[in-house]
Amino acid sequence: DTEVTQTPKHLVMGMTNKKSLKCEQHMGHRAMYWYKQKAKKPPELMFVYSYEKLSINESVPSRFSPECPNSSLLNLHLHALQPEDSALYLCASSSRGPEGAGGYTFGSGTRLTVV
Amino acid sequence: EDQVTQSPEALRLQEGESSSLNCSYTVSGLRGLFWYRQDPGKGPEFLFTLYSAGEEKEKERLKATLTKKESFLHITAPKPEDSATYLCAVRYMDSNYQLIWGAGTKLIIKP
Repeated sequence: DTEVTQTPKHLVMGMTNKKSLKCEQHMGHRAMYWYKQKAKKPPELMFVYSYEKLSINESVPSRFSPECPNSSLLNLHLHALQPEDSALYLCASSSRGPEGAGGYTFGSGTRLTVV
Repeated sequence: EDQVTQSPEALRLQEGESSSLNCSYTVSGLRGLFWYRQDPGKGPEFLFTLYSAGEEKEKERLKATLTKKESFLHITAPKPEDSATYLCAVRYMDSNYQLIWGAGTKLIIKP
């Protein structure tokens, strides 16, 4: 079982809908990440939170809005998405902060389909 | 240009047939090379971190090695459950939190 929990596992939404993806970890990690992964491609970094502060926003469209309510939770709010935003959205965390060494622990992802 | 290249793109082996996957990198100031395993529709599962040339790490049938230009993931006597996509990622001196990812190697082990 992964130690990073993502909900929901699957989500189908229309282009006018508003939805949120949720991520939770209880490993005491202080850096959390959102990645987007298209089929047969490696993950692409979207956002980085370090000590609950947004420290990286990789020019992601404003229809994606991250939120870090506390050190264990990470949300991704979705609004007015396009069909090309359909992908696997992955949450990850790391122990030493994004500038430190060590691997990331990924969640199982949310499979998002925009219709 | 900083980049990470994995080869082969796909590898089909018979159960018990050992082989190696390659990850070559061109970055300045390596600060860590990571191997992950990813099953379809799942998030990547962390396998190993290597920091310096000559370092080796093992886990069950997997062994990762690192040189100044590349890393190998050796798979000894693989089983069908080792079938997955294996991803390599690199962090380097000026990358801050960024990882440069390889495109992955899809490994299929036939019984």
